Amino acid sequence: AQSVTQPDIHITVSEGASLELRCNYSYGATPYLFWYVQSPGQGLQLLLKYFSGDTLVQGIKGFEAEFKRSQSSFNLRKPSVHWSDAAEYFCAVGAGNTGKLIFGQGTTLQVKP
Amino acid sequence: SQTIHQWPATLVQPVGSPLSLECTVEGTSNPNLYWYRQAAGRGLQLLFYSVGIGQISSEVPQNLSASRPQDRQFILSSKKLLLSDSGFYLCAWSVGQGLHFGDGTRLSIL
Repeated sequence: AQSVTQPDIHITVSEGASLELRCNYSYGATPYLFWYVQSPGQGLQLLLKYFSGDTLVQGIKGFEAEFKRSQSSFNLRKPSVHWSDAAEYFCAVGAGNTGKLIFGQGTTLQVKP
Repeated sequence: SQTIHQWPATLVQPVGSPLSLECTVEGTSNPNLYWYRQAAGRGLQLLFYSVGIGQISSEVPQNLSASRPQDRQFILSSKKLLLSDSGFYLCAWSVGQGLHFGDGTRLSIL
């Protein structure tokens, strides 16, 4: 079955510390992978996406993610977290030219001053 | 540039009342359109998607319906709301890979 797992429901990091949010997927075809961020009461904003090519992708707001096919993972990273990064983060997987995405349950990021 | 508008932002409705949520997209033609629902503490679930006017696919059995009367308009409806219809409803569009979301409608059923 196709699925996305974000093992960490809630993560707290100090401002300026590095961040890694985990995402594992199960998908039968070649996956198209996405990370979205959602601020409270808002819609989702696309941070980055991976379709093919270089397995390290750069996104907006200083985020990057690395696709590891052998581990079925697509972890999101940021070297230095800012207080404004506090939000909920969703990993998603889909196929081809479609917006029919399967989302993980989300990881809530809290940033300590 | 492309924009997506979704309204209302919040809605409080009694059980058994009808529902109509509207979504419009500007700045693009023939987009794929989607309705997702986000229940409290959960991820997003795809409810409906549309690849063209009058073409609606339902992903999950439910109390809701969708319509696409115009290329860039997508409507989510219900004749009689249930308590379980509460949630955060997100409209989205895509042309190619990836989704672009509206700001959502918070629906509370009393």
